[in-house]
Amino acid sequence: AQSVSQHNHHVILSEAASLELGCNYSYGGTVNLFWYVQYPGQHLQLLLKYFSGDPLVKGIKGFEAEFIKSKFSFNLRKPSVQWSDTAEYFCAVNAHINTNAGKSTFGDGTTLTVKP
Amino acid sequence: GAVVSQHPSWVICKSGTSVKIECRSLDFQATTMFWYRQFPKQSLMLMATSNEGSKATYEQGVEKDKFLINHASLTLSTLTVTSAHPEDSSFYICSAPNPTGAGELFFGEGSRLTVL
Repeated sequence: AQSVSQHNHHVILSEAASLELGCNYSYGGTVNLFWYVQYPGQHLQLLLKYFSGDPLVKGIKGFEAEFIKSKFSFNLRKPSVQWSDTAEYFCAVNAHINTNAGKSTFGDGTTLTVKP
Repeated sequence: GAVVSQHPSWVICKSGTSVKIECRSLDFQATTMFWYRQFPKQSLMLMATSNEGSKATYEQGVEKDKFLINHASLTLSTLTVTSAHPEDSSFYICSAPNPTGAGELFFGEGSRLTVL
């Protein structure tokens, strides 16, 4: 079975600070990796995803994530956060052989609060 | 992007009654939809996979007689919480896979159920 661990439950930053949210997963095979974001009052939406190729993937709004296979990690980063980045962030993983994306396993989420 | 909509956004009911939550794909067809349950500060837990034209597939530990799922059309799946009890109070979220097969999920806005 696969599992996902997000180490930070709540992160508070000032605007322009750099962000890194940790995500580690456990699964022995090839994985697909996702970061989803939920802005206040809105649907969960995809931030970025990794299936294969370049392990550094770029998503919307200046976010990026790096897949480090040896560390089973897929940390999310942004060089300079804005107040509008305040949201809840979820890391998710599913087995590469599992084309059913709904079988993704989600982390517990990290609440990011950016102070203006 | 594709839109998934849930209704109602919140519902309060008395113990013993049944509650129906709808999940619609607004601008695409979804042969598969997924239902999750989310407890405060916890992860999304997949409850079941809703399959258009066939029975839903339930995750281990989810009572299929308690959580009835019907996928009546290519754009609508419903979750009915039968004989609801206070412990069923939760946030229920549905999703549908990207119809282009890109691997990510489109989420509804969620439905907050409170059982008195």
